[in-house]
Amino acid sequence: EPEVTQTPSHQVTQMGQEVILRCVPISNHLYFYWYRQILGQKVEFLVSFYNNEISEKSEIFDDQFSVERPDGSNFTLKIRSTKLEDSAMYFCASRKGDRHTDTQYFGPGTRLTVL
Amino acid sequence: AQKVTQAQTEISVVEKEDVTLDCVYETRDTTYYLFWYKQPPSGELVFLIRRNSFDEQNEISGRYSWNFQKSTSSFNFTITASQVVDSAVYFCALGNAGNMLTFGGGTRLMVKP
Repeated sequence: EPEVTQTPSHQVTQMGQEVILRCVPISNHLYFYWYRQILGQKVEFLVSFYNNEISEKSEIFDDQFSVERPDGSNFTLKIRSTKLEDSAMYFCASRKGDRHTDTQYFGPGTRLTVL
Repeated sequence: AQKVTQAQTEISVVEKEDVTLDCVYETRDTTYYLFWYKQPPSGELVFLIRRNSFDEQNEISGRYSWNFQKSTSSFNFTITASQVVDSAVYFCALGNAGNMLTFGGGTRLMVKP
């Protein structure tokens, strides 16, 4: 069964460094998402992406964040200058296309630790 | 603005007991989507069910059942004859037209042998 994959599973970085989190969505899916979950808290929406542009973004997704689909398979989240409060689990999700029937399938997550 | 409330932060039951996880949502959208996800200790988010706002039919899948009531803006989840493997955090989520999901705070279910 096809699944969303994410790399790395755990990333440790120093405050102020740039990080890129990578996701490979399910191959015939058209809509892509990033969410984050601070330890012990709820899952929060960051951004949605369709047809090579951002569809929606939350207040969390400020100028420090960017997303890209650099080729036909990868979907990346870049944090330009990490802060301590960016430490969280980051989930990528994808969905096929019909919002009335489709479901977002989530990857296993990347745990980001900012020191 | 969309909001999902899971009032039960933690529930503890003994194996074989039935348990219901509550979910109440708020939205001004006339079309919306409701979901339940399971997050086991390993951390991934596992899809369980979705319901569209225009489909109030309840659903049963094995030991799992869901009760969608538009009149009370609730989408409750019942596990019958709970098992230790059901121990996890369960999230209810509300999707808008773009399928941006708003999650509730989650309910941690502990099933003791």
